[in-house]
Amino acid sequence: DGGITQSPKYLFRKEGQNVTLSCEQNLNHDAMYWYRQDPGQGLRLIYYSQIVNDFQKGDIAEGYSVSREKKESFPLTVTSAQKNPTAFYLCASSREPMNTEAFFGQGTRLTVV
Amino acid sequence: EDKVVQSPLSLVVHEGDTVTLNCSYEVTNFRSLLWYKQEKKAPTFLFMLTSSGIEKKSGRLSSILDKKELFSILNITATQTGDSAIYLCAVGVGGGNKLTFGTGTQLKVEL
Repeated sequence: DGGITQSPKYLFRKEGQNVTLSCEQNLNHDAMYWYRQDPGQGLRLIYYSQIVNDFQKGDIAEGYSVSREKKESFPLTVTSAQKNPTAFYLCASSREPMNTEAFFGQGTRLTVV
Repeated sequence: EDKVVQSPLSLVVHEGDTVTLNCSYEVTNFRSLLWYKQEKKAPTFLFMLTSSGIEKKSGRLSSILDKKELFSILNITATQTGDSAIYLCAVGVGGGNKLTFGTGTQLKVEL
């Protein structure tokens, strides 16, 4: 089945540790995105990538990093510089050209203690 | 800064009621407006609107876009408990399919 897979579903980390969230898609989509969802704030864009080896900062990129070495994969690292990392993280992908829907993974709930 | 505003933030209705959810936007380089339903985890796609005045319909759900007044509505008729979810509005802007989301409307349908 084609789809977009995020792992793990739940993640606990100690404060000050970096953590990497996985996102893989087999939809042959060019564009991939990372969003953060907090209660009452909807989805906010962290990073997005339109093509392999290229990515752009979204609205809240500080404290996060990404890579796009393969078309299928777009991992997100939450660094110790992110001041409030506890949140629900959603990865999405869409095909080019523009005006196409984005498909979402099931999300990763990160809790930093 | 691109902005998408949804209202109401939350809504409780009884089964069988009709609801209207609102989405207004202020963005540069508008491409499209999308509605998603989020029940537990992954948002699922409902509609994509690019042209004004053309209603899109799927069963009991329908949506329309007004590009002059910069808003869209999502209507749900004869609501059921299974319609309970967060409804997200997103606007596609610029290149690369970048989507800017609103805060969502939390809908609860009670028996």
